[in-house]
Amino acid sequence: AQTVTQSQPEMSVQEAETVTLSCTYDTSESDYYLFWYKQPPSRQMILVIRQEAYKQQNATENRFSVNFQKAAKSFSLKISDSQLGDAAMYFCAYANTDKLIFGTGTRLQVFP
Amino acid sequence: NAGVMQNPRHLVRRRGQEARLRCSPMKGHSHVYWYRQLPEEGLKFMVYLQKENIIDESGMPKERFSAEFPKEGPSILRIQQVVRGDSAAYFCASSLLPGTATSTDTQYFGPGTRLTVL
Repeated sequence: AQTVTQSQPEMSVQEAETVTLSCTYDTSESDYYLFWYKQPPSRQMILVIRQEAYKQQNATENRFSVNFQKAAKSFSLKISDSQLGDAAMYFCAYANTDKLIFGTGTRLQVFP
Repeated sequence: NAGVMQNPRHLVRRRGQEARLRCSPMKGHSHVYWYRQLPEEGLKFMVYLQKENIIDESGMPKERFSAEFPKEGPSILRIQQVVRGDSAAYFCASSLLPGTATSTDTQYFGPGTRLTVL
C-alpha cells in the first residue's frame, strides 16, 4: 500500500526567508503524481504545486518549488521569500489512480 | 468561474440523526471525490463517483455511509444515525478528467463541511 510521510509536524520561518518542508512516500508504482496542498485557517484546500513522476525536471510555481528525488522517494517543498500569508498547514499527497493519499501535514508559522 | 461548492459549511446533528452533505463540482467536471479530515489529521479518501456511478468506494465505512452523484444536481454524502466519531470536516473535490491507472487529473477542493455530532 502506498504511504506518505511528513516528519515535521511544525516548522517556522522568518518573513522573506526560505523554508523547506519534507515529504517521503512509499510506492511500487513507476508512474504517479505528487502534490502539495495548502490549508489556511479557513480550511480550504488549495493546490500549491504538482509533479509528474515521469518528468525529471522539478516543478516550480512562482516562489514555490520542489526537489523531487524519485530514487529516494522524496518530494520536498521549498518556499522562497516567505510571506505572512504562507502560514498554513501544508499537506503532501500522492496519487496514481483515483484517490489522493495525504500525509499528516506540516504546520508552517511565519514570523515578521 | 465558480469553484467547487459545498453546503452547508457547518452542520450540527444529534446522535442518531441523519446528515446530508452536498457538493457541486466545478463547471464541466464530472468526477467527484469525497474525503474526511478528522481533527489534527490529514484527509482520508472515502469515495469516487462519476455521474450516476460509484467508481471506487474503498474508503467508505461499510455501514451508515452512502454517496450518490445523480445525473442532475449535486453529489450527496449521506450519513445515517450519526455518532460522535463522525464529527469531522468532509471535503469534496472534483476533476475534469478521470483518475485512472494511467493518468491523474488535478483535484480541486471545495471549502468543506464541518460536521459536529452532539
